[in-house]
Amino acid sequence: AQSVAQPEDQVNVAEGNPLTVKCTYSVSGNPYLFWYVQYPNRGLQFLLKYITGDNLVKGSYGFEAEFNKSQTSFHLKKPSALVSDSALYFCAVRDDNYGQNFVFGPGTRLSVLP
Amino acid sequence: GAGVSQTPSNKVTEKGKYVELRCDPISGHTALYWYRQSLGQGPEFLIYFQGTGAADDSGLPNDRFFAVRPEGSVSTLKIQRTERGDSAVYLCASSPQLGSGELFFGEGSRLTVL
Repeated sequence: AQSVAQPEDQVNVAEGNPLTVKCTYSVSGNPYLFWYVQYPNRGLQFLLKYITGDNLVKGSYGFEAEFNKSQTSFHLKKPSALVSDSALYFCAVRDDNYGQNFVFGPGTRLSVLP
Repeated sequence: GAGVSQTPSNKVTEKGKYVELRCDPISGHTALYWYRQSLGQGPEFLIYFQGTGAADDSGLPNDRFFAVRPEGSVSTLKIQRTERGDSAVYLCASSPQLGSGELFFGEGSRLTVL
């Protein structure tokens, strides 16, 4: 079955600096990979996804993520962090060998300091 | 509204009581998912529907949990004989296409079992 790890509970970065939120996954088939963001008292919002094609995918709010098959990773990145990016970020995976279920990671809290 | 609507937003009940949580998906979305999120954790899959049928209910923790979607739109998650361990935020998401990955989440129903 598929699984997702987010090795950092918390990431702190200064405003204007680049940010990275890490995600690694395990699947038996081909991975479909996603990032979602959750602001306080709000529902999860879709940021971006990798299905196939170019390993670098771009999403909402200037975020991007790089699919690395050999390292089974899908790290979320942004060149210049904003204070408003502070939120909870979730990586999710679907294994095309296991139906249409999406498995979410435990989440990483991003704090962007002014 | 245009988004996924979940009611009630908050529900406090006593151990042993019956609870229903409702989800009204985005119009036209054929896929509907239920997840459960405990404090400090990522969303945990419960069940998903394609149309009226439950395509995968493998995430339901036990037979006290049941969900229906009789007309392929609104869904109700039903919990019998609630236990304190059922306390969590129950999230509903819909998608225009099963497995596409872009899930549109509601703001959740927070269930507290005393």
